[in-house]
Amino acid sequence: EDQVTQSPEALRLQEGESSSLNCSYTVSGLRGLFWYRQDPGKGPEFLFTLYSAGEEKEKERLKATLTKKESFLHITAPKPEDSATYLCAVQAGSNTGKLIFGQGTTLQVKP
Amino acid sequence: EAGVAQSPRYKIIEKRQSVAFWCNPISGHATLYWYQQILGQGPKLLIQFQNNGVVDDSQLPKDRFSAERLKGVDSTLKIQPAKLEDSAVYLCASRKGDRVTDTQYFGPGTRLTVL
Repeated sequence: EDQVTQSPEALRLQEGESSSLNCSYTVSGLRGLFWYRQDPGKGPEFLFTLYSAGEEKEKERLKATLTKKESFLHITAPKPEDSATYLCAVQAGSNTGKLIFGQGTTLQVKP
Repeated sequence: EAGVAQSPRYKIIEKRQSVAFWCNPISGHATLYWYQQILGQGPKLLIQFQNNGVVDDSQLPKDRFSAERLKGVDSTLKIQPAKLEDSAVYLCASRKGDRVTDTQYFGPGTRLTVL
């Protein structure tokens, strides 16, 4: 069964304190791994898509990496506005585009 | 470009009542998804449409949930009758391209509370 597990469930950082969020997955034939950001009361906002092991993508203070078993979202020198829930999702070998989400990591960055 | 629109944003009903949610996808997006997000969990796919047709409804509780997409644009999701465990945020997403890995864009969601 396709499965996605994110850790930690919650993370508190001081402003400027870099860290990483983990997304471990088991899936039959990975087609893509997606990172979304979700603010309270809002829908998920797209951040990155990674397609193959070794791929990396960056956006401002965020950098996503992918291996054959997991993905990391690295946050460098975070700011309070980076506080949100970060969701990881995988797309398996089926051709429907269905996303299988992890439970998310809630990040709080204190000034 | 306008994003995915959903209404209402909030709904409170008694168990056994009926409720309907509406979604207007991004213009030109052929694929539309409905997801259910229970508090503290990631979204879970309920149903996927490609234009007017259903592509995947394997996780839709068909005894109480129904959905339709009229003329390949707007979509409605209905619950009849609602149960306490249906309390969740219902998210609509749409995708433009033909590639399944193309980005899905989400609306703000409808928060349903069943009392």
